[in-house]
Amino acid sequence: DAKTTQPPSMDCAEGRAANLPCNHSTISGNEYVYWYRQIHSQGPQYIIHGLKNNETNEMASLIITEDRKSSTLILPHATLRDTAVYYCIVRVATNSGNTPLVFGKGTRLSVIA
Amino acid sequence: EAQVTQNPRYLITVTGKKLTVTCSQNMNHEYMSWYRQDPGLGLRQIYYSMNVEVTDKGDVPEGYKVSRKEKRNFPLILESPSPNQTSLYFCASSLTQAGNTIYFGEGSWLTVV
Repeated sequence: DAKTTQPPSMDCAEGRAANLPCNHSTISGNEYVYWYRQIHSQGPQYIIHGLKNNETNEMASLIITEDRKSSTLILPHATLRDTAVYYCIVRVATNSGNTPLVFGKGTRLSVIA
Repeated sequence: EAQVTQNPRYLITVTGKKLTVTCSQNMNHEYMSWYRQDPGLGLRQIYYSMNVEVTDKGDVPEGYKVSRKEKRNFPLILESPSPNQTSLYFCASSLTQAGNTIYFGEGSWLTVV
């Protein structure tokens, strides 16, 4: 079962920042927070991941609360092409056992012109 | 360009007729896996492989086989397909089992009638 809770859907105006929340109150100390997205029925696409610190890359920023029980994915200037289902996933990254991505229902983000 | 390539992308087949969905990656990744995606159930892992000749069952392996004779290829075999295997299938790969960036193929739509 997915260990995260996300709102089922959100809207965002084109050009505005999209802030997608995720609750992971039972996260363990060695679990990372990952964000993937799936546009229509294409293969999921990696966006960003983090453990404790906030992270930023060319696609997005990830803000993790100090207690690590929740996080927010920020798309700074949403475009129509960012319309997708966004998945927040917690996972241990280890070579000592299989740790597949466990996808929940995600948040369907609609970017509106 | 980093790619995970699946074939066929779309297939309609009949119950009991053996089929193979191929998966190939060009990134020299050790870890590869197969997922299926069904409405309301999200993505579930079928099989995974940590390296050449090393494969193991994921969460929903029944009715499937895999092989990993070469690093780049990880075919999914349905020996006797049944209608409940109608689904969208994704192949994925990462540098290692603990790899943070997991690349997905574009998906294969399989319908068994």
